[in-house]
Amino acid sequence: GQNIDQPTEMTATEGAIVQINCTYQTSGFNGLFWYQQHAGEAPTFLSYNVLDGLEEKGRFSSFLSRSKGYSYLLLKELQMKDSASYLCAVRDIVSNTGKLIFGQGTTLQVKP
Amino acid sequence: KAGVTQTPRYLIKTRGQQVTLSCSPISGHRSVSWYQQTPGQGLQFLFEYFSETQRNKGNFPGRFSGRQFSNSRSEMNVSTLELGDSALYLCASSLFTGGAGELFFGEGSRLTVL
Repeated sequence: GQNIDQPTEMTATEGAIVQINCTYQTSGFNGLFWYQQHAGEAPTFLSYNVLDGLEEKGRFSSFLSRSKGYSYLLLKELQMKDSASYLCAVRDIVSNTGKLIFGQGTTLQVKP
Repeated sequence: KAGVTQTPRYLIKTRGQQVTLSCSPISGHRSVSWYQQTPGQGLQFLFEYFSETQRNKGNFPGRFSGRQFSNSRSEMNVSTLELGDSALYLCASSLFTGGAGELFFGEGSRLTVL
């Protein structure tokens, strides 16, 4: 089976750093995605990891450890606009299609 | 470059009715996936179409169906609506299927079943 776990909610302060963790158990692995979704809007792509290590993209970084079934999204210099839901998703390897298995999402609230 | 367009954005139906949702992918994208998003279940995969062929199907009853046209536009249909079908239905397009293909989501169609 496939299972993806993320914390439900997190709170952080403007200007700080926050790390959102994601653990997964899948029958196969073919890449991990992070998406950001503001309330009432479409999810937007943040990052993709398929090999172990850190991928940095501006204020956002994503890390992957395939042996541990673990990923995190690191947000630096938090801004109020970063308040959103962050979705971790794993590519289904069995079908190798566009199917993504999503976690429940982590709602991040950034406070002044 | 226009994004993924979904219509209608909002709709209200009653139990037993059927509904058809439409999705126009980004120009040049041939893969279209559909997801259902609810507060309790999160994003759940419905199905994916690539070059007019259904590539994969999620664990939803047969009341949920879809198709893709030669211009890559896709429709999904839900028949005999139930209260539990109330959700945000998201369409996502991708240049290709599988691998590192990033999904681009539309704004969604919010369905309320009364």
